[in-house]
Amino acid sequence: DADVTQTPRNRITKTGKRIMLECSQTKGHDRMYWYRQDPGLGLRLIYYSFDVKDINKGEISDGYSVSRQAQAKFSLSLESAIPNQTALYFCATGRETREYKNIQYFGAGTRLSVL
Amino acid sequence: AQSVTQPDIHITVSEGASLELRCNYSYGATPYLFWYVQSPGQGLQLLLKYFSGDTLVQGIKGFEAEFKRSQSSFNLRKPSVHWSDAAEYFCAVGEYGNKLVFGAGTILRVKS
Repeated sequence: DADVTQTPRNRITKTGKRIMLECSQTKGHDRMYWYRQDPGLGLRLIYYSFDVKDINKGEISDGYSVSRQAQAKFSLSLESAIPNQTALYFCATGRETREYKNIQYFGAGTRLSVL
Repeated sequence: AQSVTQPDIHITVSEGASLELRCNYSYGATPYLFWYVQSPGQGLQLLLKYFSGDTLVQGIKGFEAEFKRSQSSFNLRKPSVHWSDAAEYFCAVGEYGNKLVFGAGTILRVKS
């Protein structure tokens, strides 16, 4: 089983709909991240969380919200989806130790299309 | 702010040929540097990392990278490319707060 699981893997939705992408992990890491990937732009950070009560905006948080329901679960919501939110979304986890500093472990991604 | 530049959007190499993917970073202090690989339909997998010490680091799948402070570079190399290496490769620099800043990626095509 994957250590970082994203659901759904693919989603097509319509403009204006609310949609939630979910991420769960079995790695026991305290830190979790949401990125979006666009061709030619690499991965850009949307939100990140250091623990259940510590959630921070990333580079491109407008139009998104998150919820850290438990240490192992971190959900990303698009309150009112728009076509330019069509992208590949990744969840990642990490932990703050000297040996693993900045190392992140990624899920397989969710491909979202907003029509 | 930190930034990472991968100058080559696409690279095509013949199977068995050597490979070098370029990465330049902008960072004030000693950086933590990473290379990740994304195979089609997959998430990102860590190939190798540089934190300190020996500037030539070895990774998985036969990859290595060399940190050159004077050139602000962390280029990825492989002596002999296999068809299974076809993927997208991302260079990243660690940022305060355990965050990563990624380059735009380089798509590697391998021709037989």
